[in-house]
Amino acid sequence: AQSVTQLDSQVPVFEEAPVELRCNYSSSVSVYLFWYVQYPNQGLQLLLKYLSGSTLVKGINGFEAEFNKSQTSFHLRKPSVHISDTAEYFCAVSKAAGNKLTFGGGTRVLVKP
Amino acid sequence: GAGVSQSPSNKVTEKGKDVELRCDPISGHTALYWYRQSLGQGLEFLIYFQGNSAPDKSGLPSDRFSAERTGGSVSTLTIQRTQQEDSAVYLCASRLGQLETQYFGPGTRLLVL
Repeated sequence: AQSVTQLDSQVPVFEEAPVELRCNYSSSVSVYLFWYVQYPNQGLQLLLKYLSGSTLVKGINGFEAEFNKSQTSFHLRKPSVHISDTAEYFCAVSKAAGNKLTFGGGTRVLVKP
Repeated sequence: GAGVSQSPSNKVTEKGKDVELRCDPISGHTALYWYRQSLGQGLEFLIYFQGNSAPDKSGLPSDRFSAERTGGSVSTLTIQRTQQEDSAVYLCASRLGQLETQYFGPGTRLLVL
């Protein structure tokens, strides 16, 4: 079975500052990794995904994440946040392409002016 | 509309009543998923349909929960004899191909009084 841990439940950050959201996973098999964002009162939207290949993955809205197999991590970063990045961010894994997702507990990002 | 749609957007029911939640996936998407998002449990997988294969029901929390997908398109999630702990946002997602992204609907917010 897989599990996902998002170490920070809330991250306050000032506008134009960088942000890093931490995600660690455990699995006995290789996994596929995802970051989703949920804006207030909306569904989930994919930010980026790692299936194979380069461990540095670039996504939408200036976000990127790096897959580190030895540390079983997939941390999400953005060099300069905007007010509009205020949302909840979920890390997720699946053990096969197209398979069900196992989500972390989410990290709520609040961008302050 | 090009996205996944769900109805109703909000549902209030009394404990012990049955409810049906509907999901219209993106046209042509072969896979359909149901997830539940609650304060206590976070985001958790419920059930997964892939084409004509038997559904993966491993996430259904009890036999009060069931789902069907008619004609490989619309899906209905049924909760019988609702309990207060069933209160949550029920999210539906659909996917085209095996390596494709799961696209999420806006969810149905269920409140059991």
